[in-house]
Amino acid sequence: DAGVIQSPRHEVTEMGQEVTLRCKPISGHNSLFWYRQTMMRGLELLIYFNNNVPIDDSGMPEDRFSAKMPNASFSTLKIQPSEPRDSAVYFCASTFRSGTGPYEQYFGPGTRLTVT
Amino acid sequence: GQQVMQIPQYQHVQEGEDFTTYCNSSTTLSNIQWYKQRPGGHPVFLIQLVKSGEVKKQKRLTFQFGEAKKNSSLHITATQTTDVGTYFCAAVTGNQFYFGTGTSLTVIP
Repeated sequence: DAGVIQSPRHEVTEMGQEVTLRCKPISGHNSLFWYRQTMMRGLELLIYFNNNVPIDDSGMPEDRFSAKMPNASFSTLKIQPSEPRDSAVYFCASTFRSGTGPYEQYFGPGTRLTVT
Repeated sequence: GQQVMQIPQYQHVQEGEDFTTYCNSSTTLSNIQWYKQRPGGHPVFLIQLVKSGEVKKQKRLTFQFGEAKKNSSLHITATQTTDVGTYFCAAVTGNQFYFGTGTSLTVIP
């Protein structure tokens, strides 16, 4: 299994530009999570999907952030317009939820976003 | 809301010394997970604890879940340079995961 795949691995963009991060979860997993990691704020859960449906998006910072999961094998996190404070590493993780767990999350390699 | 605190935030140890990180939750948890993130890497699942008072071991690592299911600890015996990284606990309540603030471990050869 290839694991969770994220693209791009690195993104450098100018303030005001639109940024789209992509994630392919592990085949067969039914839950997908988007996280943001910074030195100041640590690892923050932005949103998670269960069976392609957004369950909790309370961690999404503001309306500039949006996430979609059109099918079980693909998700996007979009930032429009981007700002320097959005600079961070964005992780996607997936798991298979059934019954009582263990629900271990498998993380992708992350996308390092720099907004200048 | 749910808060998960880890202490210490940073720990430097000489190779061969022991290391412990503590995870404390403001509420009772369904279960708790531990992850390790190497520098420049991504979090990797280590273990999950479910039962009150549960203790699990993985070679030199010992994981413990508190009796009240509000706290947990990870102890590493005789640290090695390969143990370097940040250790996160993740509190699981219902459908939610709450990652702790992490403890960054540096091992001095």
